[in-house]
Amino acid sequence: AQSVTQLGSHVSVSEGALVLLRCNYSSSVPPYLFWYVQYPNQGLQLLLKYTTGATLVKGINGFEAEFKKSETSFHLTKPSAHMSDAAEYFCAVSSSGGANNLFFGTGTRLTVIP
Amino acid sequence: DGGITQSPKYLFRKEGQNVTLSCEQNLNHDAMYWYRQDPGQGLRLIYYSQIVNDFQKGDIAEGYSVSREKKESFPLTVTSAQKNPTAFYLCASSMASDAGELFFGEGSRLTVL
Repeated sequence: AQSVTQLGSHVSVSEGALVLLRCNYSSSVPPYLFWYVQYPNQGLQLLLKYTTGATLVKGINGFEAEFKKSETSFHLTKPSAHMSDAAEYFCAVSSSGGANNLFFGTGTRLTVIP
Repeated sequence: DGGITQSPKYLFRKEGQNVTLSCEQNLNHDAMYWYRQDPGQGLRLIYYSQIVNDFQKGDIAEGYSVSREKKESFPLTVTSAQKNPTAFYLCASSMASDAGELFFGEGSRLTVL
């Protein structure tokens, strides 16, 4: 069985500061991991994904995430926050890459302070 | 432009009424999904379909029904049996059921009065 825990339902950072959104997963098999972003009253958009290979994954809008098997983590980072990064971010895990067994975390709302 | 179109964006209904949410995609994707989103609970899978004329229950299918008569269309009916239907509903599609990359519509917000 898979599950995802996102630490911190709300995170606030100053514009230009480092963004760090935490995600820990549980999976009995090698996981496929995803980060999605949701702007207010909109659907979700894929930021980045890890399937196999390089553990540091780069995504859109300057975000990246690192798969750390020993820590069962897939934290999302961005060196410098921009006002447009304010949104809700969801971490998700799948055991096979299949969307029909994709489990989402409860989300982290990011606020960027000018 | 290719994408997923959900309608209506906002919907108000009285208790006891069935409502149908529309989802259309022109991405030529095989698989389509319906999720429900509630504050603080993330997304939960209601139904999914990997191919025309076939669909499977997700984690919270009770009180919902779907059909997949065309590849492009996957409407969701929220029936009067759904105990707490007020929520934000998201439709998504993917190239195949084994692809975790989902493409989402903009959602439909249903409020039951």
